[in-house]
Amino acid sequence: GENVEQHPSTLSVQEGDSAVIKCTYSDSASNYFPWYKQELGKGPQLIIDIRSNVGEKKDQRIAVTLNKTAKHFSLHITETQPEDSAVYFCAAKISGGSYIPTFGRGTSLIVHP
Amino acid sequence: GAVVSQHPSWVICKSGTSVKIECRSLDFQATTMFWYRQFPKQSLMLMATSNEGSKATYEQGVEKDKFLINHASLTLSTLTVTSAHPEDSSFYICSARETGVMNTEAFFGQGTRLTVV
Repeated sequence: GENVEQHPSTLSVQEGDSAVIKCTYSDSASNYFPWYKQELGKGPQLIIDIRSNVGEKKDQRIAVTLNKTAKHFSLHITETQPEDSAVYFCAAKISGGSYIPTFGRGTSLIVHP
Repeated sequence: GAVVSQHPSWVICKSGTSVKIECRSLDFQATTMFWYRQFPKQSLMLMATSNEGSKATYEQGVEKDKFLINHASLTLSTLTVTSAHPEDSSFYICSARETGVMNTEAFFGQGTRLTVV
């Protein structure tokens, strides 16, 4: 089955700095890679995703890159703000509703004002 | 985006009682819903896949008689934790995928914090 590794487990940055979270996956069949933000006491919310037919996707301050050959993908947050503080999860799966995502262990991002 | 609502958002119950958690898709129909469990500072663990009109599929190690799942309509799935014990205290999260839409993924509810005392 799929195995997703996520690093770092904790990331502390100053407001305005960039933050990068990295994930690797094992199953070459995986072709959909979502990122979720989970605030304390709430469910995960999809913030950005990427499919295997592209190498990079950007949405304002958030970007995701994918290297299919190396089987790794990363989340980049620029100009971080205190409200970006949360736990971020990466996931990997085969596209389609019948497939279940495999989640990374999460990264706790702390943005200091 | 699609909205998935869970109720209640938190519940405290006495050991030995049963607790029902609801997961509703508010603006779409969902043939399939998923139930997860999350311990503090850990990732999401899939418990079961809930299928409308049929029996749920449970992941290995999850007791189906302990965690009863009913998916009686296209917009509602329920998870009942029977004879709850303190070790069942956890954050339970559902997700739902819109039926019949190509290349769409599941959306998560806001979670239910269960505390068994």
